[in-house]
Amino acid sequence: EIVMTQSPVTLSVSPGERATLSCRASQSVGGSLAWYQHKPGQAPRFLIYGASTRATGVPARFSGRGSGTEFTLTISSLQSEDFAVYYCHQYNNWPYTFGQGTRLEI
Amino acid sequence: QITLKESGPTLVKPTQTLTLTCTFSGFSLSTSGVGVGWIRQPPGEALEWLALIYWDDDKRYSPSLRSRLTITKDTSKNQVVLTMTNMDPVDTATYFCVHKSMYSIAAFDYWGQGTLLTVSS
Repeated sequence: EIVMTQSPVTLSVSPGERATLSCRASQSVGGSLAWYQHKPGQAPRFLIYGASTRATGVPARFSGRGSGTEFTLTISSLQSEDFAVYYCHQYNNWPYTFGQGTRLEI
Repeated sequence: QITLKESGPTLVKPTQTLTLTCTFSGFSLSTSGVGVGWIRQPPGEALEWLALIYWDDDKRYSPSLRSRLTITKDTSKNQVVLTMTNMDPVDTATYFCVHKSMYSIAAFDYWGQGTLLTVSS
């Protein structure tokens, strides 16, 4: 099973600042990496797939990079609605796995 | 517009069998490449993928739960059913139904709102 490790666990950032979240895979997942934003009581929001492609309707301030085992999600200028938990997810190998999440807080 | 909705009990007792139903619209599970799966999230914990069924009836399960899970589809009703046997309080979680299309985006691109299940006597 591929273990996805996200860092940091919690990231404290002010609105308007940039946030960079990291995700590391225990073995290569190629480019089969997705990012989700999750707020309490809601369904996770699909943000990024293929490591760097924004899903439909996702603002350009969200960007993903990486391949193989190292990935990042950058939010260029944080808005109030961006404060949430972010998960990375590999869909290259069975079983599919998720990271433990990074909580982005004000 | 693709939508998925989970339904099932909100409370089950330990050792009982859980049956969850995902009813979807906006796509067909007979279309090549399409899959519907289940993911759960225990309170305060991370997301955990459970199972997935493809248009061709190929099924995938989480190895840690494989012995307890069964996923089936009813294409005519646009439904996918997940059964989980021998429920335990650690199975308390929100259960999400998800869509993927292996020939396009391939990731889980649409999610249901989730259904909260409590396992308690």
